[in-house]
Amino acid sequence: NAGVTQTPKFRVLKTGQSMTLLCAQDMNHEYMYWYRQDPGMGLRLIHYSVGEGTTAKGEVPDGYNVSRLKKQNFLLGLESAAPSQTSVYFCASSSRPTGVGNQPQHFGDGTRLSIL
Amino acid sequence: GQQLNQSPQSMFIQEGEDVSMNCTSSSIFNTWLWYKQDPGEGPVLLIALYKAGELTSNGRLTAQFGITRKDSFLNISASIPSDVGIYFCAGSGSARQLTFGSGTQLTVLP
Repeated sequence: NAGVTQTPKFRVLKTGQSMTLLCAQDMNHEYMYWYRQDPGMGLRLIHYSVGEGTTAKGEVPDGYNVSRLKKQNFLLGLESAAPSQTSVYFCASSSRPTGVGNQPQHFGDGTRLSIL
Repeated sequence: GQQLNQSPQSMFIQEGEDVSMNCTSSSIFNTWLWYKQDPGEGPVLLIALYKAGELTSNGRLTAQFGITRKDSFLNISASIPSDVGIYFCAGSGSARQLTFGSGTQLTVLP
């Protein structure tokens, strides 16, 4: 009963370093999302994917890239990390687009990323 | 972009009391969702609303989709210690992307 799994759970980077966050879901969902959560704010959509091989920009895409080579995985990359990217990152998945029928998004437990 | 105003930002209540929180939007939504987030975990869906005027319950939780489609509220009756956490509203409009409120931090005092 894994659902949505994010790795790693914690990471500390230096400014300018690169890294990739992995999101894996075992529910055969078509749609996957990456959000960031900052103190006192709700989740903000970074990028999303409507199916294998597709990606699209969300509300705050700058400084991030994503890839969806396999249906079950959605990768979030930071090419050159900046302190402003210190945040908690959440991945989510859904079988249908948000708002279509009773198929809401399911979230992972988050990746806590600190950029020094 | 769409904006959600969620209030209150935080609440301190006595165990057994009822709680109410709400969200208002600057634009019309087709879907309202209410999530709860515990420390160190991702948001977990509590209630989903898909029709204007819809009133839905999940145990001690009740949520309504406002008639104007620009607001929603969540009520928790007879609060218990495990209700502690951050509650988020989220709405989806024509773009079918979720916009989240800033959250309501709920503390239940014994």
